Amino acid sequence: KNQVEQSPQSLIILEGKNCTLQCNYTVSPFSNLRWYKQDTGRGPVSLTIMTFSENTKSNGRYTATLDADTKQSSLHITASQLSDSASYICVVTASGAGSYQLTFGKGTKLSVIP
Amino acid sequence: DAGITQSPRHKVTETGTPVTLRCHQTENHRYMYWYRQDPGHGLRLIHYSYGVKDTDKGEVSDGYSVSRSKTEDFLLTLESATSSQTSVYFCAISGPGTRGAGELFFGEGSRLTVL
Repeated sequence: KNQVEQSPQSLIILEGKNCTLQCNYTVSPFSNLRWYKQDTGRGPVSLTIMTFSENTKSNGRYTATLDADTKQSSLHITASQLSDSASYICVVTASGAGSYQLTFGKGTKLSVIP
Repeated sequence: DAGITQSPRHKVTETGTPVTLRCHQTENHRYMYWYRQDPGHGLRLIHYSYGVKDTDKGEVSDGYSVSRSKTEDFLLTLESATSSQTSVYFCAISGPGTRGAGELFFGEGSRLTVL
């Protein structure tokens, strides 16, 4: 069964600090890995999409890494801002039989405090 | 922002009543999806559509039906709502190419409470 595990479940950091969120997956055959940001009461918004051949991808202060060998990804947030307070969802796509299956993690809830 | 509108955004209903949620897109995307989001779970796929009148089940489709009579509209119906269907429902769309391969754009969600 395809699974995506995220850690930690929740995290509180001070404004201006850096943090790293983790995503481990057992999805096969792997197609891509996505990170989404979901503000409270809003729909998820895509941050990055990485394929098998990409091991780093940046979007502003957000940098995602992918290690396809160990099946791990991380999302690093630099110089956090209050607006980074949100849930971050890791989504892994498996390919096969002419379609793609998405498996969603439960998310990491990040709180950035002044 | 992707042009996706969900309605209603909030609804409270009673057990046994029918409920229809609407998703409207202005992007002319082929694929449309309905997900539910519950505490302790990742987003779970209910149903999806790959064209007008073409729909298929997702992983948690029991108790739900869908219809797509126009490219821009995808309706989710709970024929007889139950308390276990209390959730936040998200519509999503994706562009051309194989289903699930492209970037997924989400609506703002519809919060449904079944008493």
